[in-house]
Amino acid sequence: NAGVTQTPKFQVLKTGQSMTLQCAQDMNHNSMYWYRQDPGMGLRLIYYSASEGTTDKGEVPNGYNVSRLNKREFSLRLESAAPSQTSVYFCASNTLRGDEQYFGPGTRLTVT
Amino acid sequence: AQSVAQPEDQVNVAEGNPLTVKCTYSVSGNPYLFWYVQYPNRGLQFLLKYITGDNLVKGSYGFEAEFNKSQTSFHLKKPSALVSDSALYFCAVRDGGNNRLAFGKGNQVVVIP
Repeated sequence: NAGVTQTPKFQVLKTGQSMTLQCAQDMNHNSMYWYRQDPGMGLRLIYYSASEGTTDKGEVPNGYNVSRLNKREFSLRLESAAPSQTSVYFCASNTLRGDEQYFGPGTRLTVT
Repeated sequence: AQSVAQPEDQVNVAEGNPLTVKCTYSVSGNPYLFWYVQYPNRGLQFLLKYITGDNLVKGSYGFEAEFNKSQTSFHLKKPSALVSDSALYFCAVRDGGNNRLAFGKGNQVVVIP
């Protein structure tokens, strides 16, 4: 039982490049989330998927797109990376409203 | 919209002394409250939660938190801090009517040997 896994762990992009961050969970959770963590700002929700087949915007969705590929996988895409997207990205999942979220180890992204 | 305030950037405490990390929240409905801990270069780990019931909640690693509805607070406590408790602590709140967690900015806890 690996929990929540994320790939890659580290990535450096040039401005304008695109990339997809991958997330998978093996806990049969319905809901999945993407956050970004910046110093002094806590975690901010980018997008979430309450269940397979649905996605919704969070607090900071601009510049990102997501795909809920199946119940296990939820990917985050940066179409044209900008330096402001330099951050640590976390994926999380949970079962029901009120349940705690389980977090992946994070992806550290630098955009130059 | 829900929000969380963690008023202190850093909390310094001597090993063996009580540790308190403060959190106040704002929601429109019934609050679901959480504490998470983050060690360097790691993801967040769940410590404890309050959904309903007893105001004093016990969690992992000897931590507990007290829900105070009148003061809209959910402070994290540990009776005797360990050096290994040094980490970043996040409070989070969810409005019972939606799926979205709002996090505080985090408190760095430094336990001094």
